[in-house]
Amino acid sequence: AQSVTQPDIHITVSEGASLELRCNYSYGATPYLFWYVQSPGQGLQLLLKYFSGDTLVQGIKGFEAEFKRSQSSFNLRKPSVHWSDAAEYFCAVALFSGYSTLTFGKGTMLLVSP
Amino acid sequence: DVKVTQSSRYLVKRTGEKVFLECVQDMDHENMFWYRQDPGLGLRLIYFSYDVKMKEKGDIPEGYSVSREKKERFSLILESASTNQTSMYLCASSEPGQGAGGELFFGEGSRLTVL
Repeated sequence: AQSVTQPDIHITVSEGASLELRCNYSYGATPYLFWYVQSPGQGLQLLLKYFSGDTLVQGIKGFEAEFKRSQSSFNLRKPSVHWSDAAEYFCAVALFSGYSTLTFGKGTMLLVSP
Repeated sequence: DVKVTQSSRYLVKRTGEKVFLECVQDMDHENMFWYRQDPGLGLRLIYFSYDVKMKEKGDIPEGYSVSREKKERFSLILESASTNQTSMYLCASSEPGQGAGGELFFGEGSRLTVL
């Protein structure tokens, strides 16, 4: 069965500093990978997705992620964090077996310090 | 703009009550999903539906049922609410098939408290 691991439960970053959130997946085939963000009290919003092609994908709000097959990773990055980026971030992998479902990691809570 | 609407943002119910959580999407999507979100556990799939009147169990279906009588509406039912069902419930929809990539569109969530 596929699985997603986000090893960091919480991360604190200073405003203006760079950010990297880690995501590792376990999936037998070529994965479809996603990063979602959830602001407090809200639903999840898609940041970016990888299906195929260029392994560096650009998303909204200045985020990017790099797919590395050899490391089974899909880490999310941002060069300069803003206070409004404080939220919970979820990595997910799609499974296609008759229907399509997403399996999510447990999330990483990002705190931004002044 | 695409939209998934969950009718109740906050609910407080008593143990043993029957609870209905309603979700409507306006994107004509085939697939609809109910997830449960708890701190430290991430999102866990309760049930999903890939067509009207069709349903499939997810990872944690116990204590829940669902109904999909119309394509745009997917209801989650707690037949007899218990305190361990206090949680945030998220509804989502998607297009079917690998071509669509499995991307989910989420509602804003329904926070249920069972006393």
